[in-house]
Amino acid sequence: SQTIHQWPATLVQPVGSPLSLECTVEGTSNPNLYWYRQAAGRGLQLLFYSVGIGQISSEVPQNLSASRPQDRQFILSSKKLLLSDSGFYLCAWSRLVWQRANYGYTFGSGTRLTVV
Amino acid sequence: GESVGLHLPTLSVQEGDNSIINCAYSNSASDYFIWYKQESGKGPQFIIDIRSNMDKRQGQRVTVLLNKTVKHLSLQIAATQPGDSAVYFCAEHKGTGTASKLTFGTGTRLQVTL
Repeated sequence: SQTIHQWPATLVQPVGSPLSLECTVEGTSNPNLYWYRQAAGRGLQLLFYSVGIGQISSEVPQNLSASRPQDRQFILSSKKLLLSDSGFYLCAWSRLVWQRANYGYTFGSGTRLTVV
Repeated sequence: GESVGLHLPTLSVQEGDNSIINCAYSNSASDYFIWYKQESGKGPQFIIDIRSNMDKRQGQRVTVLLNKTVKHLSLQIAATQPGDSAVYFCAEHKGTGTASKLTFGTGTRLQVTL
């Protein structure tokens, strides 16, 4: 079965510090990978998605970047965090080829980032 | 689409009553729809899905209705329980291959009162 791991679960970082959040998927190959951010009491904002190693698409301009060094690894980074980067970050995966009954996204457990 | 800047609307329901959560989707070409449940501090979890060639699908205590004429999706929860308290997101799928995309709705917070 497929599993998605995301860590850390919580993180408190000072303004101006770097960030690295990691997400890995097991039990599948060639997944589509996604990073979402969710502000408190808000909806899901798609930040980045990737359809393959080294292929990153950015949905919104921001202080963050993403990388996919391996097929099942997706990393969210920042060189200098801003207060506005605080939020709940979610990684998700889906099958590369949309097939019947396989359309959904599977989400990780999320990382709550507080920038102080 | 993704209205991420808006506060989530809230639906309060008494335990044991039925809940109906509504969602308007944007694209008439969307071919597949999913409802997700997100409990506090956790990632969204799949609840139920429906293809565009259907107008109703039932699961355990949940029913999804699709009205393509008015581009409206609803999630009905029978005999709502305290454990149903969560944020519910609808999502619409469109496109094929690497261009396929799932777009999430704003979300609705369901509060179950005792």
